Amino acid sequence: DAGVIQSPRHEVTEMGQEVTLRCKPISGHNSLFWYRQTMMRGLELLIYFNNNVPIDDSGMPEDRFSAKMPNASFSTLKIQPSEPRDSAVYFCASSLGTSRGQYFGPGTRLLVL
Amino acid sequence: GQQVMQIPQYQHVQEGEDFTTYCNSSTTLSNIQWYKQRPGGHPVFLIQLVKSGEVKKQKRLTFQFGEAKKNSSLHITATQTTDVGTYFCAGYSSASKIIFGSGTRLSIRP
Repeated sequence: DAGVIQSPRHEVTEMGQEVTLRCKPISGHNSLFWYRQTMMRGLELLIYFNNNVPIDDSGMPEDRFSAKMPNASFSTLKIQPSEPRDSAVYFCASSLGTSRGQYFGPGTRLLVL
Repeated sequence: GQQVMQIPQYQHVQEGEDFTTYCNSSTTLSNIQWYKQRPGGHPVFLIQLVKSGEVKKQKRLTFQFGEAKKNSSLHITATQTTDVGTYFCAGYSSASKIIFGSGTRLSIRP
């Protein structure tokens, strides 16, 4: 079975550019989570969806960040405009229900110059 | 707000020694999960504990959930080099909000 799929795996961009990260959850999972991981701040929950509906976006740092889940098999996290402090590894995870074990994708390593 | 504290931050052990990491929450948790992240990898789900005082084992790993459901521990017996990585706890509050601990990085001397 395919796990959570994320693309791109690596992204290098310049400050001010738009960045779009993509995620395909495990088929049948109805909860999807976006995380950001840095050495300084650890693993932070940005937003999560249940049945494609955003439930809690209190972790989204600011208006430059937005996330969508148009259907059960696809989600995007967009940063516009990007800033150097957004450099991090962004993980997507999915689960069978919001409080069940989560299965993480390989992550997107983002570097904003 | 809810906090999940994890200690120690780092642990360096000789292969074959035991290892324990502890997780403490400022509030009562509905459940707690444990994850392992290898260097350069992604977190991998290990186990979920739900009941007060629950103890679960996976081979050399023993997981405990405190009676008050505010603390948890992961104990590894006789560590092996394959155990290297960062171990995270993640607590769920009654509001279904997940908070990850800061992790314990385990390194092992062969």
